[in-house]
Amino acid sequence: DQQVKQNSPSLSVQEGRISILNCDYTNSMFDYFLWYKKYPAEGPTFLISISSIKDKNEDGRFTVFLNKSAKHLSLHIVPSQPGDSAVYFCAANDRGSTLGRLYFGRGTQLTVWP
Amino acid sequence: EPEVTQTPSHQVTQMGQEVILRCVPISNHLYFYWYRQILGQKVEFLVSFYNNEISEKSEIFDDQFSVERPDGSNFTLKIRSTKLEDSAMYFCASSWDSGSGETQYFGPGTRLLVL
Repeated sequence: DQQVKQNSPSLSVQEGRISILNCDYTNSMFDYFLWYKKYPAEGPTFLISISSIKDKNEDGRFTVFLNKSAKHLSLHIVPSQPGDSAVYFCAANDRGSTLGRLYFGRGTQLTVWP
Repeated sequence: EPEVTQTPSHQVTQMGQEVILRCVPISNHLYFYWYRQILGQKVEFLVSFYNNEISEKSEIFDDQFSVERPDGSNFTLKIRSTKLEDSAMYFCASSWDSGSGETQYFGPGTRLLVL
């Protein structure tokens, strides 16, 4: 089951610069996408989401972009801070056929260094 | 801020034993979920639960698994006869609505180790 893919297991960025985390999906029925952040020994924490009717959603330092034709979404963090260091999961949902089931990518470990 | 809680945080059991993982979802949420993450792998959906019955289950959720909402606050996952491959982090989640853009909020997880 590789419906949601995060091909970069890790990303290292200097504090103050932009972090770009990428996610690809294969199921064209997905219509809602979420990013979760996870610290060690904690559960995933919701960060930001986007519906397929939009191509961009912004919340403070976090922006998610959706390119439906390419089946690709990305999370931009500007400016990056050391506290952003965590594993970031992309997740997707097909609201038409499932009752809330989320499909997750494998995650990308973001490290923000001073 | 309301949060999902899970107990225990860690559980070690012998193969073949039954385990019950407990969750207290956010109080006004109506939809409940269990996910698991085997070490080094992705978070996988197990089951969703609404109105005292299973809404959807994955291929992982076989007859060894069951879920229950025994009272107005707890949501449990039971594994009847644990196998080595059940060792994983188990996450409970809850949401106000299902898949209509409602965010699922996750608990901190229970780390299950089957020996």
